[in-house]
Amino acid sequence: KQEVTQIPAALSVPEGENLVLNCSFTDSAIYNLQWFRQDPGKGLTSLLLIQSSQREQTSGRLNASLDKSSGRSTLYIAASQPGDSATYLCAVGPYNFNKFYFGSGTKLNVKP
Amino acid sequence: EAGVAQSPRYKIIEKRQSVAFWCNPISGHATLYWYQQILGQGPKLLIQFQNNGVVDDSQLPKDRFSAERLKGVDSTLKIQPAKLEDSAVYLCASSLARLGYGYTFGSGTRLTVV
Repeated sequence: KQEVTQIPAALSVPEGENLVLNCSFTDSAIYNLQWFRQDPGKGLTSLLLIQSSQREQTSGRLNASLDKSSGRSTLYIAASQPGDSATYLCAVGPYNFNKFYFGSGTKLNVKP
Repeated sequence: EAGVAQSPRYKIIEKRQSVAFWCNPISGHATLYWYQQILGQGPKLLIQFQNNGVVDDSQLPKDRFSAERLKGVDSTLKIQPAKLEDSAVYLCASSLARLGYGYTFGSGTRLTVV
C-alpha cells in the first residue's frame, strides 16, 4: 500500500523567504502527483499536477518537482507572503482510476 | 466551469443521530469520491464511484455509512447512527474518468458530533 509522508508537519517563516515543502512516497509506480492548498475550514484547492513523465511544473511563484525513482516531490514557494499561510497537501495517484493517496500535510505560517 | 458543490457546509448532531451530505460534481466528471478528513490528518478515501458503480469502498464503515450516486451525477453520503469519532470534514471530489487527470474538490461539510 502506498504511504505518503510530508515533512515538516509545520513551518513558520518570515515574509519574503523562499521555502521548500517535501513529500515522499513509498511506491514509485505512480501515474501523477498533485499538490493542494487547504485553508482552515475549507476544501482543497489544486495548485499543481505533475504527470509521471514530467520532472516539474510551475505556476507563478510555485514550482513542483518530481523524482519518481527516489519517491520524492518538492514544492518550492518563492518570495513567500502572509497570504500563502495554509496547509499544503500532496497526493499521489497510482495506475488505477485516479485514486489518490494523501500525505498529512505541512501547515505553513508566513509571518508579516 | 462550475465547481463541485457540497451541502450543508456545517452540521452539528448528537451521537446516535443520523446525517446526510450531498454532492454535485463537475458536469461530465464520471468519477466521484468521498473523503473523510479528521483534524490534523490528510484526507482518507471512503468511497469512489465510476458513474453509478462503486469502484472502491474498502475503507467505508459499512455498518454505519452508506453512499449512493443517482444516475451517475449527484451523490449522497449518510451516517446512521453517528459516533463521536465521526467528527470530521467530509470532502467530495470529482475527476474525469481518465488516467492523468487530477481532482477538483468541493468546499466540504464540517460535521461535529456531540
